[in-house]
Amino acid sequence: SAVISQKPSRDICQRGTSLTIQCQVDSQVTMMFWYRQQPGQSLTLIATANQGSEATYESGFVIDKFPISRPNLTFSTLTVSNMSPEDSSIYLCSFIQEIFGTDTQYFGPGTRLTVL
Amino acid sequence: AQSVSQHNHHVILSEAASLELGCNYSYGGTVNLFWYVQYPGQHLQLLLKYFSGDPLVKGIKGFEAEFIKSKFSFNLRKPSVQWSDTAEYFCAVNARGYSTLTFGKGTMLLVSP
Repeated sequence: SAVISQKPSRDICQRGTSLTIQCQVDSQVTMMFWYRQQPGQSLTLIATANQGSEATYESGFVIDKFPISRPNLTFSTLTVSNMSPEDSSIYLCSFIQEIFGTDTQYFGPGTRLTVL
Repeated sequence: AQSVSQHNHHVILSEAASLELGCNYSYGGTVNLFWYVQYPGQHLQLLLKYFSGDPLVKGIKGFEAEFIKSKFSFNLRKPSVQWSDTAEYFCAVNARGYSTLTFGKGTMLLVSP
């Protein structure tokens, strides 16, 4: 499968600031996703990002708070805006790869965000 | 919308014990099913998946899972666990033809040597 990386791997931020997380895949992929994993919780999908179109957000997530860019088929960014301690979480990107006619989702290593 | 339920939040086993982690989903249509594993300090990895065909699927590291459609279940099994299996295990499902995954809350497995 393709290799997926995220930057930064972790950060500690002050309330009210913003952080942009980068996700890089080493091959071209059509669909990329951003998830949040809050402490002790499962993964929750934030949005789907396809190149050339606006991201599609899940219920409870809005573009003003989590703007996403997808400038090409190998890269995406997620910004966590105007952060509060409730945004402390692990943020993961993922992509779909078709193998033998079936789609499987692969995940990046995650960005651990702590908001003070 | 789909939902996924994992029965145990924490499981503690001794090495060589057998493992079964429960996963049930709710969705009326055809689904694809996955188990992911997250070892301490590592990122989420695909353990195994079911799309169609034989309902008993085998994954990496000796894990297997059985899809029982009538029970809406996809339980993960391993006959003899090792200390290195200590990890968090997530069951996930998506509706056939859709990419969006719905995850269970995860089961933390601790294997004592």
